[in-house]
Amino acid sequence: EDQVTQSPEALRLQEGESSSLNCSYTVSGLRGLFWYRQDPGKGPEFLFTLYSAGEEKEKERLKATLTKKESFLHITAPKPEDSATYLCAVPRASGAGSYQLTFGKGTKLSVIP
Amino acid sequence: GAGVSQSPSNKVTEKGKDVELRCDPISGHTALYWYRQSLGQGLEFLIYFQGNSAPDKSGLPSDRFSAERTGESVSTLTIQRTQQEDSAVYLCASSLDRGLGTDTQYFGPGTRLTVL
Repeated sequence: EDQVTQSPEALRLQEGESSSLNCSYTVSGLRGLFWYRQDPGKGPEFLFTLYSAGEEKEKERLKATLTKKESFLHITAPKPEDSATYLCAVPRASGAGSYQLTFGKGTKLSVIP
Repeated sequence: GAGVSQSPSNKVTEKGKDVELRCDPISGHTALYWYRQSLGQGLEFLIYFQGNSAPDKSGLPSDRFSAERTGESVSTLTIQRTQQEDSAVYLCASSLDRGLGTDTQYFGPGTRLTVL
């Protein structure tokens, strides 16, 4: 069964303290890996899609990388406004030729001023 | 442009009542998805619509749950005879969906359902 596991469940960082979030996956025929950010009381906001091992994408203080088994979301010199839950997801085939996203449970990031 | 919108933002109901949740996708997006997010759980897929094709209902947890979509526009998710375990945030997403599984899904703000 396709699975997506995120670690750690929660992470507290001091402002400016860089770190990484992990998303490991088991899926046959990876079609992409998605990262989302979710603020309390809001829907997930799209950040990145990675399609193949070795690919990297950056946005402000965030950089996402992908290997054949996992993805990392690196946060460089975080600010309090980076506090959110970060979700990763992979598409899986769900009968009738359609694809659905399987999400991890997320990493709740808190950046302390 | 306008994103995905959902209404109501909050819904409180009594056990046993029926509820209807609404989703307005991004204009031009042919695919529409419903997910459920329970406290401490990940997003759980419920149902998927693509154009005029038969919907993928494989994620619906029971026959009390149903959804409709007219063409490529608004969708409604109906929960009949609500139970306390139905309390969750119901999220809608839409995408262009070229059928490859690689299209980005854009989410609405969700409807928080509380069943007393």
